[in-house]
Amino acid sequence: DVKVTQSSRYLVKRTGEKVFLECVQDMDHENMFWYRQDPGLGLRLIYFSYDVKMKEKGDIPEGYSVSREKKERFSLILESASTNQTSMYLCASSVISSGRRYEQYFGPGTRLTVT
Amino acid sequence: GENVEQHPSTLSVQEGDSAVIKCTYSDSASNYFPWYKQELGKRPQLIIDIRSNVGEKKDQRIAVTLNKTAKHFSLHITETQPEDSAVYFCAATLHGSGNTGKLIFGQGTTLQVKP
Repeated sequence: DVKVTQSSRYLVKRTGEKVFLECVQDMDHENMFWYRQDPGLGLRLIYFSYDVKMKEKGDIPEGYSVSREKKERFSLILESASTNQTSMYLCASSVISSGRRYEQYFGPGTRLTVT
Repeated sequence: GENVEQHPSTLSVQEGDSAVIKCTYSDSASNYFPWYKQELGKRPQLIIDIRSNVGEKKDQRIAVTLNKTAKHFSLHITETQPEDSAVYFCAATLHGSGNTGKLIFGQGTTLQVKP
């Protein structure tokens, strides 16, 4: 059973703080993703990683960076948190293989509030 | 850029009625179309998917249809039950940068099934 975990369920930070959100998956998946979920906007891709140290910008990368030093761990970094980054952040992972090659498995989400 | 449009944004039905959610996509290279269900406070989970070489797929009370010519696909839920109440997301693979497994999601549909 695939397990994707995120470091916090709820987080409150102040404007200007550097924020780290961590995601860990235990199924040796190559791909990992960070999404932002806002009502009426669906899931928007922030960054994507297809291998260790490899990353690709998604649709809304501004104000964010990522790090993937180990295959199982993908970190999202808010360099200087702003109130418009208050949102639900979802991590996901997927494996490239035969069968359900694109199925993404999601973590429980981190609800971040920036005050 | 490529996108997926999902309608309606909210849907309210009586228990036992059918529900239909529709999505259109723009990337003609998309070849995999999953549907995710997100119950309140929980993570999105895959409920059904369809590949581009198939026109329809059923799994008990849920079915998905795909029209590649028109670039749209739909989720059909029959004999709805209160536990079907959730947010549903459609998605399509994005092939702009090769076979990366990236998905682009629709905006989500909040389905309410009234007992």
